[in-house]
Formats: sequence, structure tokens, C-alpha cells
Amino acid sequence: AQSVSQHNHHVILSEAASLELGCNYSYGGTVNLFWYVQYPGQHLQLLLKYFSGDPLVKGIKGFEAEFIKSKFSFNLRKPSVQWSDTAEYFCAVTEGGGGNKLTFGTGTQLKVEL
Amino acid sequence: NAGVTQTPKFQVLKTGQSMTLQCAQDMNHEYMSWYRQDPGMGLRLIHYSVGAGITDQGEVPNGYNVSRSTTEDFPLRLLSAAPSQTSVYFCASRAGTGAATEAFFGQGTRLTVV
Repeated sequence: AQSVSQHNHHVILSEAASLELGCNYSYGGTVNLFWYVQYPGQHLQLLLKYFSGDPLVKGIKGFEAEFIKSKFSFNLRKPSVQWSDTAEYFCAVTEGGGGNKLTFGTGTQLKVEL
Repeated sequence: NAGVTQTPKFQVLKTGQSMTLQCAQDMNHEYMSWYRQDPGMGLRLIHYSVGAGITDQGEVPNGYNVSRSTTEDFPLRLLSAAPSQTSVYFCASRAGTGAATEAFFGQGTRLTVV
């Protein structure tokens, strides 16, 4: 079974600092990769997704992620975080070619301080 | 467009009671699923459905039942509530016939079992 690892459980940054959140998955075949964000008290929303093509994916609110197949990684980045980025971030994966299960990592709690 | 609607938003149950968490989507999505979210554990898949009349178990199915009589509705039943089922429950739906589609989430149900 596929699994997703997010190694940073809690991250605290100052505004304008750069962000990189790690995500590694275990499945060796074709995968589809997602980053979701959960703002305090809200449901999950999609930040960005990778299915195929350019491994550098741009999402909403200035976020981007890079798929590195050789490292089984899909790290999330943002050059300059804002206080409003305070949220929990989840990496998720489905197996390509018709896999139905969306498997989530354990999440990274990001706090951005003014 | 309402998207995915979950009811209730909050619920307190006594150990041994049963209840049904409701989930409805108006996007004509084939895939629906239930997750539970616990601190430090991310979202874990309870049950999922790939279409009306078809359901399957996820990662943590014990103590829960589901049915899918219509495309729109996917209720989750707790048969005999236990304190270990205290959690936040999210329903999600996805379109398409493959794995490369975005999941849309409901607002969640916060369940406490005492």
C-alpha cells in the first residue's frame, strides 16, 4: 500500500521568510500528487496538483511544488510567506491509471508570525 | 453551488449510541469517501464508494458502515459509538473515472463520544 510521509510536523516562520515543506511517497509506479491546505476551522482546499508533464507545478496563492521522481518527493515551496498562510498543509497521492484511494500524509502545521 | 454538505457540524454521543453522519454532493461526482482526522495522524480513509451501489473499506473501517443508494448521498453510520471514535469526520467527493481528479471536502463533523 502506498504511504505518504511529511517529516515536518510543526513549522514556525516569520513573515517574508521562505517556506519548504517536505513530502515523500512510497509508491513506485505512476502517481498523482496533491497539496491541500486547511485553514483554522475550515475544510481542506486544493493548493496544487501534479498529474504529468512539467514537474514544477504552480498553485494558488504563490505556492509551487516540484515533483522529483528519483527521490519520490513532492516538496511544497513559497518564496515569501504571509501571516494568512498559517494553516495545516497536507500532501496526498493517488496511484495513476485509475487508483481510487487518496492517501494523505500526517500534515504540517505552519504558523507564520508577524 | 453547494458542493459537499455534511450534517451535523457538531455531535456529542454517549458510548454505545448509534448515529448517522450525512453527506450529500450536488456535483454528480462518482467517487465519495469518508475520512477521519486526528491530531498528528492526518486524514485516514474509513470507507469509499466509486458509484451508486458500490462501497469498499478504507484504512480504518471498523465500527463504521456506509451505503450508497444514490449518486448524491453517502451516509456514514456509527453502529455503537466508542470514545476512540472521537474525531473530526470529513466527507469528500471526486469526479471522473481515474485518479487524477481533485477531491472536494465538506465542512466536517466534530464528533465527541463520552
